[in-house]
Amino acid sequence: AQSVTQLGSHVSVSEGALVLLRCNYSSSVPPYLFWYVQYPNQGLQLLLKYTSAATLVKGINGFEAEFKKSETSFHLTKPSAHMSDAAEYFCAVSELKAGTALIFGKGTTLSVSS
Amino acid sequence: DGGITQSPKYLFRKEGQNVTLSCEQNLNHDAMYWYRQDPGQGLRLIYYSQIVNDFQKGDIAEGYSVSREKKESFPLTVTSAQKNPTAFYLCASSITGGTHEQYFGPGTRLTVT
Repeated sequence: AQSVTQLGSHVSVSEGALVLLRCNYSSSVPPYLFWYVQYPNQGLQLLLKYTSAATLVKGINGFEAEFKKSETSFHLTKPSAHMSDAAEYFCAVSELKAGTALIFGKGTTLSVSS
Repeated sequence: DGGITQSPKYLFRKEGQNVTLSCEQNLNHDAMYWYRQDPGQGLRLIYYSQIVNDFQKGDIAEGYSVSREKKESFPLTVTSAQKNPTAFYLCASSITGGTHEQYFGPGTRLTVT
C-alpha cells in the first residue's frame, strides 16, 4: 500500500522568507500527487497536483512543487511567505485506480511571523 | 455554483445517541468519500462510494454506516458503537476518471459528551 510522509509537523517562517514543506511518498510507479491547504475549521482546498506531465507544478497563491522520482519526493515551496499562508498543508497520493481514496500525510502546520 | 455542502457545521450529541451527518454535491461526481480528521493524524478514510447503491469500508469504518441512494447524497451515520466519535468530519467527491483529485466540503465538527 502507498504511504505519504510529511517531515515536520510544524514549520515556522518569517514573512518574506522561503517556505519549504517536505513530502515523500512510497510507490513503485509514479502516482498522482497533490498538495491541499486547510484553514481552521474549513475543508481542504487543492493547491496543486502532479499528473505525470511537467515535473515542476505551479499552483495557486504562488506555491509550486517539484516531482523527483529518484527521491520519491514532492516538496512544496513558495519563494516569499505571506501572513495569509498560515494554515495546515497536506500532501496526498492517489491509488492507481480512479475513484478510490487519496492517502494523506499527517499534515504540516505553517506559521508565519511578522 | 457547483460544490459540496455539509450540514450542520457544528453538531453536539450525548453519548449513546446515533447521529447522521449530511453531504450533498452538485458536481455530478460519481465517487464520494467520508474522512475523519483528528489533530496530528491527518485524514483517515471511513467509507467511500464509487457508484449509487454501492460503498466500501475504509480504514476506520467500525462504528459508522453510510448509504448511497442518490448520486448527489452520501450521508454518514455515527452510531453509538463508535468509541470516540468527537472529531472533524470531511466529505469529498471526485469523478471516476481523470486525475483523481477530490473536492472537499466545509466539514462538520461533531462533539459527543
